[in-house]
Amino acid sequence: EVQLVQSGAEVKKPGESLKISCKGSGYSFYSYWISWVRQMPGKGLEWMGRIDPSDSYTNYRPSFQGHVTISADKSSSTAYLQWSSLKASDTAIYYCARLDVVVTALDYWGQGTLVTVSS
Amino acid sequence: QSALTQPPSVSGSPGQSVTISCTGTSSDVGSYNRVSWYQQPPGTAPKLMIYEVSNRPSGVPDRFSGSKSGNTASLTISGLQAEDEADYYCSSYTTSSTFVFGTGTKVTVL
Repeated sequence: EVQLVQSGAEVKKPGESLKISCKGSGYSFYSYWISWVRQMPGKGLEWMGRIDPSDSYTNYRPSFQGHVTISADKSSSTAYLQWSSLKASDTAIYYCARLDVVVTALDYWGQGTLVTVSS
Repeated sequence: QSALTQPPSVSGSPGQSVTISCTGTSSDVGSYNRVSWYQQPPGTAPKLMIYEVSNRPSGVPDRFSGSKSGNTASLTISGLQAEDEADYYCSSYTTSSTFVFGTGTKVTVL
C-alpha cells in the first residue's frame, strides 16, 4: 500500500527556521517525483514545487522560489520542505503528494502538516 | 501564474447532475491534456478523481467524468450523492513545467 506520512504540527515564531518531512512507503521512492502543496486557512490549494528523488532536481512555482527549499533523501525515502526564516503568512497546512509523471497527476497525498507562525 | 478559474459553488439535489468548469489559458489547460481533478472533503487531504482530462483512477465511481474544450475543462458528477459534498479543484500542467490549481468549487448536496 502506497503511503506518504508527514511530520506533526509545528508552532514557530517569525524569523525561526523549520524543516518538515514526508516519508514514502509501499513503492519505489526514487521512481516518482514529490510535490508540495500549500493550503492557507480557509483558502484553496497552491502548487509550490517538486523534486525528483533520483537526482534531487527541483523546480518551483516562481512565487515560492527563494523562500522555501525542497530536498529529498533516497536512503530514507523522505522528502523535506524547509524555511530559513518563517513569516506569519507561512501559516498553512502543507501537503506532500506523489507525482505520477506518466499521467501528470498527484495520485497519493500525505495527511498534511499544519504550520502555525505566530509571535 | 494565475490560478485557473472555477465557480465558487455549485449545488444539486440527490440524483441530479452538476458540472464544474475550469478555465485556464493557452499556457496551461489549452496546451496539454494534463488536467486533473481533486476532491477535498472538509478537514481531509485531497484525493485524485480524474487525470489526463477524462480518466478515472481505480476505485473512483463512474459517476465522475471529465472533458475539455479549448482552454476550459469540466468535471461532471452524475447521480449526485450526499457523500459527494466537498471542495473540488482542477489542476493543469503548464508550459513553464510547473502545475497550477484552480480556485476551487464547493459542491453542496441539497
